[in-house]
Amino acid sequence: GAVVSQHPSRVICKSGTSVKIECRSLDFQATTMFWYRQFPKQSLMLMATSNEGSKATYEQGVEKDKFLINHASLTLSTLTVTSAHPEDSSFYICSVPKAGGRSDTQYFGPGTRLTVL
Amino acid sequence: AQTVTQSQPEMSVQEAETVTLSCTYDTSESNYYLFWYKQPPSRQMILVIRQEAYKQQNATENRFSVNFQKAAKSFSLKISDSQLGDTAMYFCAFMTPGNTGKLIFGQGTTLQVKP
Repeated sequence: GAVVSQHPSRVICKSGTSVKIECRSLDFQATTMFWYRQFPKQSLMLMATSNEGSKATYEQGVEKDKFLINHASLTLSTLTVTSAHPEDSSFYICSVPKAGGRSDTQYFGPGTRLTVL
Repeated sequence: AQTVTQSQPEMSVQEAETVTLSCTYDTSESNYYLFWYKQPPSRQMILVIRQEAYKQQNATENRFSVNFQKAAKSFSLKISDSQLGDTAMYFCAFMTPGNTGKLIFGQGTTLQVKP
């Protein structure tokens, strides 16, 4: 079964509103989670690293005030797209490294499709 | 900075045939991990195969195998006996041990398996 969930799976919002996307690890705790963005038929681009108990680490070119990340607990990270605009429409995917497993073992959520009208 | 390049945007193969997807990468690291991920139309990322750079032996997983050429920084994926369910987008990815979970992806190759 799924070990990482994302909610919602799809969201449509109006321009200017904020949208929150949740990423949960279901079977294990995670001090780190990753957020990726994927445009249609394109690659996954890492946006930021979500760190439990500290600030997120953003990749170059990603607006931290635009994409707010909160690692609320050891099983939950949230990505909030603030004042969303049509160009923010994309597929957002989280991934979670499994602590205690192989250092390269990680699990991907099913993704969230965001459409901004 | 590390980069991953997949030069084949689209490929097709007949069912039961063999296909090879190409991937090259650039890094100054000596130890790292390489992966092939499959993304079917559902968009769920699925790990196909992994390779640890310090292992010379090519990884294999059933019908999937890799040709890892460390000196050439090449990491191709061979799919044998292609099945219709192999139709998907395939991503080559790189990770250094110090950045556990932080993946750098190639552009992707869309594979169509034809009946």
